[in-house]
Amino acid sequence: DAGVIQSPRHEVTEMGQEVTLRCKPISGHNSLFWYRQTMMRGLELLIYFNNNVPIDDSGMPEDRFSAKMPNASFSTLKIQPSEPRDSAVYFCASSFPSQKSSGNTIYFGEGSWLTVV
Amino acid sequence: GIQVEQSPPDLILQEGANSTLRCNFSDSVNNLQWFHQNPWGQLINLFYIPSGTKQNGRLSATTVATERYSLLYISSSQTTDSGVYFCAVEAAYNTDKLIFGTGTRLQVFP
Repeated sequence: DAGVIQSPRHEVTEMGQEVTLRCKPISGHNSLFWYRQTMMRGLELLIYFNNNVPIDDSGMPEDRFSAKMPNASFSTLKIQPSEPRDSAVYFCASSFPSQKSSGNTIYFGEGSWLTVV
Repeated sequence: GIQVEQSPPDLILQEGANSTLRCNFSDSVNNLQWFHQNPWGQLINLFYIPSGTKQNGRLSATTVATERYSLLYISSSQTTDSGVYFCAVEAAYNTDKLIFGTGTRLQVFP
């Protein structure tokens, strides 16, 4: 399997622009997560989906952030309008209910490195 | 929500040394995983270990769920072990929500 695929890998954008990050989870996984990593706040869970349905979006920082999962193989995280403080690495991850010995093992994509200037 | 604390925050070792990383959590958990983030930012799952002990090569982990802590042991460390080690947990009352600790930054020098 190709693993969790994220795009773009790197993006530099100007303040006020819309940013769309994309994620393709591992085939067969039924949970999808969006995390944000910064030096100050570490790894924060923004939102997660189970069977394409948003379950918990309490980590989404504000209304400028939105996430969708229109089908089992695709999700987007959108920031509109973007601000310099949104600069971070955004990770997508997916998991599936597995054997008890390995649990809900979660697999991360390589991240989207966002810089807002 | 559940709190996850890791110690030490930073660790510097010479190649060949052993180390122990600790993860304390504030509530009962259904899931505990250890991750390694390499210097290129990639997050790799090391262990799923809500309880008991597991070993994988030079790495092993032990979780004592009743006392709410987990330990990650690295033996005969190598420069490729450098990076940040994260502990992440799912609270028993809030499954599927994996909460990460602040991490331990490990630097291994030749």
